[in-house]
Amino acid sequence: NAGVTQTPKFQVLKTGQSMTLQCAQDMNHEYMSWYRQDPGMGLRLIHYSVGAGITDQGEVPNGYNVSRSTTEDFPLRLLSAAPSQTSVYFCASSYGQGEEKLFFGSGTQLSVL
Amino acid sequence: SQQGEEDPQALSIQEGENATMNCSYKTSINNLQWYRQNSGRGLVHLILIRSNEREKHSGRLRVTLDTSKKSSSLLITASRAADTASYFCATPDGSGNTGKLIFGQGTTLQVKP
Repeated sequence: NAGVTQTPKFQVLKTGQSMTLQCAQDMNHEYMSWYRQDPGMGLRLIHYSVGAGITDQGEVPNGYNVSRSTTEDFPLRLLSAAPSQTSVYFCASSYGQGEEKLFFGSGTQLSVL
Repeated sequence: SQQGEEDPQALSIQEGENATMNCSYKTSINNLQWYRQNSGRGLVHLILIRSNEREKHSGRLRVTLDTSKKSSSLLITASRAADTASYFCATPDGSGNTGKLIFGQGTTLQVKP
């Protein structure tokens, strides 16, 4: 079992560029989510999904899009990168159905210049 | 919006000593979780305590929950250098099994050999 796999591990973008952060899990989890972690801010929820075809916004959704076409994959798209999106991004998943424990990927460190 | 707030923000102790971290939250919850994050890594689930539980143990970890005070504490006994990490409390946001967790800002623990 690979668990939750995030790619890439590091990325540098120029302002205005777009990119997709990939997230895949092989545990057949219903729930998947994206967080960003900034110094002194803890983790903040960007978007989440309770199952294939269903997504919703978290605390800081602006500038990000998500889709969930399969149970396994939950990509995060930056439409037009801004320096404020420089952060470490974590994908997480859980079984749901009352089991709320989250499994995290190893993170993507993104710098926007 | 931060649901959980950890105290202290940073803690430095000697190996063998006990470490206590506290978490306060704002709204009613049905469970509270603690996670550990080693430097440069994703978060790892440590323990979940439900609202009808007052205390829970897992190895050298002891978690308490006081719903009347909306607070929880994580005690690590006989600390080791390998316990050096950041520790986060997390609570569910909203009703239903959405898998959404709201994290506090974390306590950074340094255990000196």
